[in-house]
Amino acid sequence: GAVVSQHPSRVICKSGTSVKIECRSLDFQATTMFWYRQFPKQSLMLMATSNEGSKATYEQGVEKDKFLINHASLTLSTLTVTSAHPEDSSFYICSARDLAQGQETQYFGPGTRLLVL
Amino acid sequence: GDSVTQMEGPVTLSEEAFLTINCTYTATGYPSLFWYVQYPGEGLQLLLKATKADDKGSNKGFEATYRKETTSFHLEKGSVQVSDSAVYFCALAAYSSASKIIFGSGTRLSIRP
Repeated sequence: GAVVSQHPSRVICKSGTSVKIECRSLDFQATTMFWYRQFPKQSLMLMATSNEGSKATYEQGVEKDKFLINHASLTLSTLTVTSAHPEDSSFYICSARDLAQGQETQYFGPGTRLLVL
Repeated sequence: GDSVTQMEGPVTLSEEAFLTINCTYTATGYPSLFWYVQYPGEGLQLLLKATKADDKGSNKGFEATYRKETTSFHLEKGSVQVSDSAVYFCALAAYSSASKIIFGSGTRLSIRP
């Protein structure tokens, strides 16, 4: 089946630094990718929709200058957490839409655990 | 707006017990409905889905039927195993919301040997 990878799987950084997370669709082209955030024992909250070749669409309350999204190719989207703070510590999950399987079919990456000290 | 409500956990059952996890939704139009599973330390996996009323999704012994009249999509399994211990998320995707997936809060399931 379709596979989505994320790198790194976990990262620890100091407060004030920036962290880049990559999301790749390995065996299909994804014009649309999604970034979610999951707090411990809570559900996934959609942060933004990443469209290849255009600007990302952010959900209400998500700071676009803090969470920079770039979708430069049909298989790669990146999320950069800028000037990270401890409250940004969370589990970040991406998903990729495989249009060949239908508009609503998304495949999820394994997630990236971010800890900001 | 569109939303999903599922029963709160944690749910603890003995092996071979019958499982039901309730899920109801609110959406305009006719959304697609999903159950996702997240095993400890792993990412989300699609468990099953249904795209129209009265459809039944099934996988790995789990089943859920799209009930438009009750706006429900309850997850059931006749005999659970220890390996079913995970967090289960009910979700919907509606064209009215650009097919974004909206998740319920998740239900943690623990199965005792």
